[in-house]
Amino acid sequence: GNSVTQMEGPVTLSEEAFLTINCTYTATGYPSLFWYVQYPGEGLQLLLKATKADDKGSNKGFEATYRKETTSFHLEKGSVQVSDSAVYFCALRTGNTGKLIFGQGTTLQVKP
Amino acid sequence: GAVVSQHPSWVICKSGTSVKIECRSLDFQATTMFWYRQFPKQSLMLMATSNEGSKATYEQGVEKDKFLINHASLTLSTLTVTSAHPEDSSFYICSARGGDGTDTQYFGPGTRLTVL
Repeated sequence: GNSVTQMEGPVTLSEEAFLTINCTYTATGYPSLFWYVQYPGEGLQLLLKATKADDKGSNKGFEATYRKETTSFHLEKGSVQVSDSAVYFCALRTGNTGKLIFGQGTTLQVKP
Repeated sequence: GAVVSQHPSWVICKSGTSVKIECRSLDFQATTMFWYRQFPKQSLMLMATSNEGSKATYEQGVEKDKFLINHASLTLSTLTVTSAHPEDSSFYICSARGGDGTDTQYFGPGTRLTVL
């Protein structure tokens, strides 16, 4: 079946450090891939997405490239800020039902 | 942007009672709403998909008689946990889709249910 695997957290970084959160997936067909972010006390928000192989999603300095050959969608940011501290979820969607399958989430803590 | 609210944000109830959780789209009409359940340090698991005016579609393994979903209007869906037991304690999250011409889901902040 379809599934998403993320690196375990928490990930603790100093401000301005480089961030990578790994995400790999298993899916039939050609899924769309997403990163969601959940700030403390808030609902999940769409951070970025990619709908086909080699697409790069980007937003707020974050990037992720849809790699079909490695079935990966790793999230990166060149210089994190304290305000980036949150839980990050990788997800996939197949078909047109709108159903999302999530990874387990990775907590990012950025220290000043 | 589109806002989805949930009420209550947390609830504590006794075993055997029923609890209703509301999910509202505040500034758009949601043709589809989704209900998820999240255990500590685990992923969100889709429970059911509901379209306005029709019966919800439940995921495999989710008891439809225990988790009653009603999507009576384009801005409101409710999840009722009937005869709740301690194992139903969890974080319940809804999302809504529709109204902006995309298939983006907008998520509510979640409801923490604790059954004593």
